[in-house]
Amino acid sequence: AQSVAQPEDQVNVAEGNPLTVKCTYSVSGNPYLFWYVQYPNRGLQFLLKYITGDNLVKGSYGFEAEFNKSQTSFHLKKPSALVSDSALYFCAVRDIGGFKTIFGAGTRLFVKA
Amino acid sequence: NAGVTQTPKFQVLKTGQSMTLQCAQDMNHEYMSWYRQDPGMGLRLIHYSVGAGITDQGEVPNGYNVSRSTTEDFPLRLLSAAPSQTSVYFCASSYKGQLTDEQFFGPGTRLTVL
Repeated sequence: AQSVAQPEDQVNVAEGNPLTVKCTYSVSGNPYLFWYVQYPNRGLQFLLKYITGDNLVKGSYGFEAEFNKSQTSFHLKKPSALVSDSALYFCAVRDIGGFKTIFGAGTRLFVKA
Repeated sequence: NAGVTQTPKFQVLKTGQSMTLQCAQDMNHEYMSWYRQDPGMGLRLIHYSVGAGITDQGEVPNGYNVSRSTTEDFPLRLLSAAPSQTSVYFCASSYKGQLTDEQFFGPGTRLTVL
């Protein structure tokens, strides 16, 4: 069965510093991985996805994610954090056998000015 | 283009009451789904649909019913509300529900069951 884990409940960074939000996955077969962001009192918004090809995926708002097959990881990164990046971030993996998406528990990112 | 809309935004129910959460999308997406979000548990899939007239159960379907009579609408019914159903509910849609399709989420309904 497919699963994802987000090992950090919370990540704190200073504005201007690089940020990383971690995600590891477990799948049988090729992984289809996604990152979503949730701002307060809002629905989730799609950031980026890994399907195949280049291990570095670029997405919205300057975010990127690095796919590492040997470490079964898909970490979300940004070179320079903004206070407005403060939100809840979810990693997700598609269930290859059906139509379901499995979400991680989420990581809350705080960016301090 | 409104995307995915949900009504109501907030709802308070008493135990045993029933209600319907509404969801609509105007993107002509075939796939629609309902999730509940609880603290520390991420999103859990309740029910989903891959097209009009086709629905299936997700991870936590008990206590909920769905139907899909049109492409646009995917209502979620709580048959007899319980305090354990206190949660934030999100509706989402995607083009065809294929492995590569990202989902578009509505703004959510915050439900409290007393």
